[in-house]
Amino acid sequence: NAGVTQTPKFRILKIGQSMTLQCTQDMNHNYMYWYRQDPGMGLKLIYYSVGAGITDKGEVPNGYNVSRSTTEDFPLRLELAAPSQTSVYFCASSPQSPGTSGGYEQFFGPGTRLTVL
Amino acid sequence: SQKIEQNSEALNIQEGKTATLTCNYTNYSPAYLQWYRQDPGRGPVFLLLIRENEKEKRKERLKVTFDTTLKQSLFHITASQPADSATYLCASPRAGNNRKLIWGLGTSLAVNP
Repeated sequence: NAGVTQTPKFRILKIGQSMTLQCTQDMNHNYMYWYRQDPGMGLKLIYYSVGAGITDKGEVPNGYNVSRSTTEDFPLRLELAAPSQTSVYFCASSPQSPGTSGGYEQFFGPGTRLTVL
Repeated sequence: SQKIEQNSEALNIQEGKTATLTCNYTNYSPAYLQWYRQDPGRGPVFLLLIRENEKEKRKERLKVTFDTTLKQSLFHITASQPADSATYLCASPRAGNNRKLIWGLGTSLAVNP
């Protein structure tokens, strides 16, 4: 299993440009999440999905859009990039049923470092 | 609002000693707490989960405790090694939606040889 994969690893955007951050998981997890992580700010939830066709906003959804057409893929779209969107973006997934730990641990991708200039 | 707080100051310890990291929660009672490890430039990796009715849980050199009276979890690494150097994050499910997590800011641990 590759787990959760994200592309690209790094990207520099100009203000106003758009891009899609890709996320794919091969663990057949129903739940998927997008976070951003800024220095000193911790992980903030942008959007999440409980299954194909179902998405919902997290704490900081403004400026982002998502879709979930398959169980495996959960792309994050930035339509009009702004400097405030400079961050490291993590995608995560979680299974439908509790894991061996007894809870719903999340599995993270390697992240995408985005800079908007 | 529901909140998780971790020591913001970096923890520096000598190899072989026990590292103890703290996670405090306020304004709610989580059913469980999770601990993750994050290395620079990488995503968090799940380590341990402890439920509110468990006092202690162990995994190899890791030990987690959960004190509902103090509203606190302690994360211990015994016989620490330089390879344990990383940031450790505490997280818990939000009240009303256990599939969304509240995250602490993490504590950076440096184990010196």
